[in-house]
Amino acid sequence: EPEVTQTPSHQVTQMGQEVILRCVPISNHLYFYWYRQILGQKVEFLVSFYNNEISEKSEIFDDQFSVERPDGSNFTLKIRSTKLEDSAMYFCASSERASGVMNEQFFGPGTRLTVL
Amino acid sequence: AQTVTQSQPEMSVQEAETVTLSCTYDTSENNYYLFWYKQPPSRQMILVIRQEAYKQQNATENRFSVNFQKAAKSFSLKISDSQLGDTAMYFCAFMKHGNTGKLIFGQGTTLQVKP
Repeated sequence: EPEVTQTPSHQVTQMGQEVILRCVPISNHLYFYWYRQILGQKVEFLVSFYNNEISEKSEIFDDQFSVERPDGSNFTLKIRSTKLEDSAMYFCASSERASGVMNEQFFGPGTRLTVL
Repeated sequence: AQTVTQSQPEMSVQEAETVTLSCTYDTSENNYYLFWYKQPPSRQMILVIRQEAYKQQNATENRFSVNFQKAAKSFSLKISDSQLGDTAMYFCAFMKHGNTGKLIFGQGTTLQVKP
């Protein structure tokens, strides 16, 4: 069964460094998402992406964040200058549609980002 | 803005028993979707069940069913014949109809199924 994959599973970085989190969505999906979950807190929406454009972004998704689909398979989240409060589990998700019967989002296993 | 509230941080149930997880939401939208996601200890979230707001009939998926009360903005999940594999964090989520697919999650309920 197709699944969303994410690499790395755990990333440790120093404050101020740039990190790139990678995701491979399910191949026939057209909509892509990033969410994050700070330890012990709820899952929060960061951004949705369709047709090489951001569809919606949250207040969390400031100028330090960017997303890209550099080729036909990868979907990346870049944090330019990490802060301590960026430490969280980051989940990638994908779906065939954003609305209607095919709007189920499939989640990846997550990347745990630790900022020191 | 839409909000989702799960008022039960933790619940437990004996194997083979039935348990109901609560979820309420707030929205001014009329057309939307509601979901229950399961996050097992391995942490990959999987969809348990979904409900379209325009459908009055409650969704069911095998042992999982929902009680959708649109006027009360309530969306509870019932798990029948609980199994040890049902032990997980359960998230209720809201998505308004549109073209962005943004999911808004509740705080989650940790369910422990005891043998």
